Amino acid sequence: AQSVSQHNHHVILSEAASLELGCNYSYGGTVNLFWYVQYPGQHLQLLLKYFSGDPLVKGIKGFEAEFIKSKFSFNLRKPSVQWSDTAEYFCASFGKTDSGYSTLTFGKGTMLLVSP
Amino acid sequence: EAGVTQFPSHSVIEKGQTVTLRCDPISGHDNLYWYRRVMGKEIKFLLHFVKESKQDESGMPNNRFLAERTGGTYSTLKVQPAELEDSGVYFCASSQDRGGELFFGEGSRLTVL
Repeated sequence: AQSVSQHNHHVILSEAASLELGCNYSYGGTVNLFWYVQYPGQHLQLLLKYFSGDPLVKGIKGFEAEFIKSKFSFNLRKPSVQWSDTAEYFCASFGKTDSGYSTLTFGKGTMLLVSP
Repeated sequence: EAGVTQFPSHSVIEKGQTVTLRCDPISGHDNLYWYRRVMGKEIKFLLHFVKESKQDESGMPNNRFLAERTGGTYSTLKVQPAELEDSGVYFCASSQDRGGELFFGEGSRLTVL
């Protein structure tokens, strides 16, 4: 079954600092990878996704992620964070569960707090 | 276009009572998913509907949970009888294509006392 691990549960940064959130997934054949974000009081929304092609994926709000197949990683990056980036970030992969069906599997999430 | 809507946003019940959560997916989305997040843990898959059929319910914790999607539109998730460990946030999501982007509702927070 697919599994996703996120390296940090809590990250605290000052505005303008650079961000990198780690994500590793277990191999499961064809890989569809996602980063979702949940801002305070809002629903989960998609930041970016990777299905195939260019391993450097650009998403909304200046975020990007790099798919490195050899490392089973899909780290999220942003060169300069803003206070409004304070949120919880989830890495997810679409792959097989123990039942043999495919579904979206999430990591535990990383809470990012950006101080002004 | 309306997004995925869930009701209620928050429910507080006592152990042993019954609660029914509702999800209205985005119109035209055949795929509907239920997920749950218990505090401090990851978001876990519960089940997946394609139209009115249960495609995969391997994530349902036990037989106290019953999900339906009559007519292939909205879905309900009933917990009967509720236990303390059922507390958490229940997310519903829908998608047009299997494996594509999931659109999430705001979640229904369930507190069992």
